[in-house]
Amino acid sequence: AQKITQTQPGMFVQEKEAVTLDCTYDTSDPSYGLFWYKQPSSGEMIFLIYQGSYDQQNATEGRYSLNFQKARKSANLVISASQLGDSAMYFCAMRGLYSGAGSYQLTFGKGTKLSVIP
Amino acid sequence: GAVVSQHPSRVICKSGTSVKIECRSLDFQATTMFWYRQFPKQSLMLMATSNEGSKATYEQGVEKDKFLINHASLTLSTLTVTSAHPEDSSFYICSARVGAGGETQYFGPGTRLLVL
Repeated sequence: AQKITQTQPGMFVQEKEAVTLDCTYDTSDPSYGLFWYKQPSSGEMIFLIYQGSYDQQNATEGRYSLNFQKARKSANLVISASQLGDSAMYFCAMRGLYSGAGSYQLTFGKGTKLSVIP
Repeated sequence: GAVVSQHPSRVICKSGTSVKIECRSLDFQATTMFWYRQFPKQSLMLMATSNEGSKATYEQGVEKDKFLINHASLTLSTLTVTSAHPEDSSFYICSARVGAGGETQYFGPGTRLLVL
């Protein structure tokens, strides 16, 4: 079984500042993938960044970076230089990297609502 | 990135009627599609996994006779909510896995269902 925990229901950040959204996970799978998605008020889920459990380096995508600490089972999302358009719900998710039944299914955390203040 | 569309974007129906939601992968073939349900201010809950040409796999607690899923082609999956009731009102989102070995799921824009 997999479990994702996002302990911050809401976060505020000043425009142009950096912010870290926390995510911890629990799994018995030997290899797994970690994802972050953004959900604005329109409802669509926007893929932000992916980290494989065996990746040697932390993933980065533009202003997004994933602070992956495998021993601590954490996969925090760092957004640099926050913009007003970053205000949204952010979901951390994971799945096991194996073939067969149940593979590729994502398990989501409860989400963090980020509000960027001008 | 890959594009997934959903139709309709929102629907209002009377209790007891059936509603069909389409999920299409527009520029790639999706071997696997997923259907999620999201209640207000809550996370996404997986309802079922849909593989092209085979029966969908439903999560525990999801009634397969109520939520009919058909994955007739590599670019189209449909979710039919049969005999809808007000408690079925929710945000339904599909996602598609990009081909063999693809790590990322791309989500459709979602469908807001309101059952009166």
